[in-house]
Amino acid sequence: AQTVTQSQPEMSVQEAETVTLSCTYDTSENNYYLFWYKQPPSRQMILVIRQEAYKQQNATENRFSVNFQKAAKSFSLKISDSQLGDTAMYFCAFTLPWGTGKSTFGDGTTLTVKP
Amino acid sequence: GAVVSQHPSRVICKSGTSVKIECRSLDFQATTMFWYRQFPKQSLMLMATSNEGSKATYEQGVEKDKFLINHASLTLSTLTVTSAHPEDSSFYICSARWRPSGQIEVDNSPLHFGNGTRLTVT
Repeated sequence: AQTVTQSQPEMSVQEAETVTLSCTYDTSENNYYLFWYKQPPSRQMILVIRQEAYKQQNATENRFSVNFQKAAKSFSLKISDSQLGDTAMYFCAFTLPWGTGKSTFGDGTTLTVKP
Repeated sequence: GAVVSQHPSRVICKSGTSVKIECRSLDFQATTMFWYRQFPKQSLMLMATSNEGSKATYEQGVEKDKFLINHASLTLSTLTVTSAHPEDSSFYICSARWRPSGQIEVDNSPLHFGNGTRLTVT
């Protein structure tokens, strides 16, 4: 079974600064998908960024980027130029490319961006 | 983009009554939907996988007679909390992943989530 670990329950960052959220996972599979989702106070889950395990290049979406280290089974999220609207709970998720497509989620990291 | 609608957003019911929560994929067909329960500041706990036209698959420890799931069409799954009690009070979320018709493998499409339902049992 796959497991996802987010070791930072809470983090804070000053507005405009950069913060990195960590995520590690455990799997014996070679192909899989990784995601970061954001859950703001509204509690609506939103996709932040995705990464395919077969791609070596790290995914980037505007101010959000990942550091994907396949051998280390690490998938950290970097948020640059943090904004107040980035305040949310962030979940790392792992999905296998077969079956029902269900995802395994980490416990989440609550990020607070301070003005 | 793919949209999942969940209704109601909030419901308050009395202990012993049943509550139905609907999850609809508005612009895509979802043969599979997922139901989660989330406690404050905690992760999403997968309760069950809803399969169109067949029985739901429940996660270990989830009472299937308490949480009835029906996936009657390719766009609608319902979760019914039967004989609700105060300990069932929680935030329930559904999700679905778009998958082209006939495609077996899972691609990199993300999960699309409903807005969630806050259930309070008094």
